Amino acid sequence: GNSVTQMEGPVTLSEEAFLTINCTYTATGYPSLFWYVQYPGEGLQLLLKATKADDKGSNKGFEATYRKETTSFHLEKGSVQVSDSAVYFCALRPGQGAQKLVFGQGTRLTINP
Amino acid sequence: EADIYQTPRYLVIGTGKKITLECSQTMGHDKMYWYQQDPGMELHLIHYSYGVNSTEKGDLSSESTVSRIRTEHFPLTLESARPSHTSQYLCASSDPSRGYTEAFFGQGTRLTVV
Repeated sequence: GNSVTQMEGPVTLSEEAFLTINCTYTATGYPSLFWYVQYPGEGLQLLLKATKADDKGSNKGFEATYRKETTSFHLEKGSVQVSDSAVYFCALRPGQGAQKLVFGQGTRLTINP
Repeated sequence: EADIYQTPRYLVIGTGKKITLECSQTMGHDKMYWYQQDPGMELHLIHYSYGVNSTEKGDLSSESTVSRIRTEHFPLTLESARPSHTSQYLCASSDPSRGYTEAFFGQGTRLTVV
């Protein structure tokens, strides 16, 4: 089946620290991979995506590389800010034609000044 | 910027009441979804639609029902609310011009049944 496993949270860091949130997946076919972010009291927003192996998605200083050999899509940022505090979801869409996103369980990130 | 709206944002209601959560999008997307988000943050797909007059059950069984009479509108109804329905409900749609690769989410409705 299709599934996404994320790093357990919560994660607490100091401002300007380096961030990694691990994400691994199991999927049939060739999935597209996503990171969504949910700020307090809000819905989900697409942060970045990658649609094929070795693609790197990037946005707002965040990056993730689609690694087929390790079935991973880890989220990284070199220097986090207090405003990055949110819940981060890794997700996949399993192959062309599949309509449904499969989400990981979410990782709550808190950045302290 | 996505144009998908949910109302109300917050709702507190008594047990046994009938409620409808509204979701509208102005982007012309044919595919729409409802997710239930539990307090542990995990998202569960409860309903989806491929277009007008199409509705399907999602991965998580739900006592709610949905309808899709117009492309832009995908309301969710609970005939008799119970405390176990307390949750956050998120509506989403996906874009045919982008191959449906990403979904756009509304801000959510936080439902509390007392």
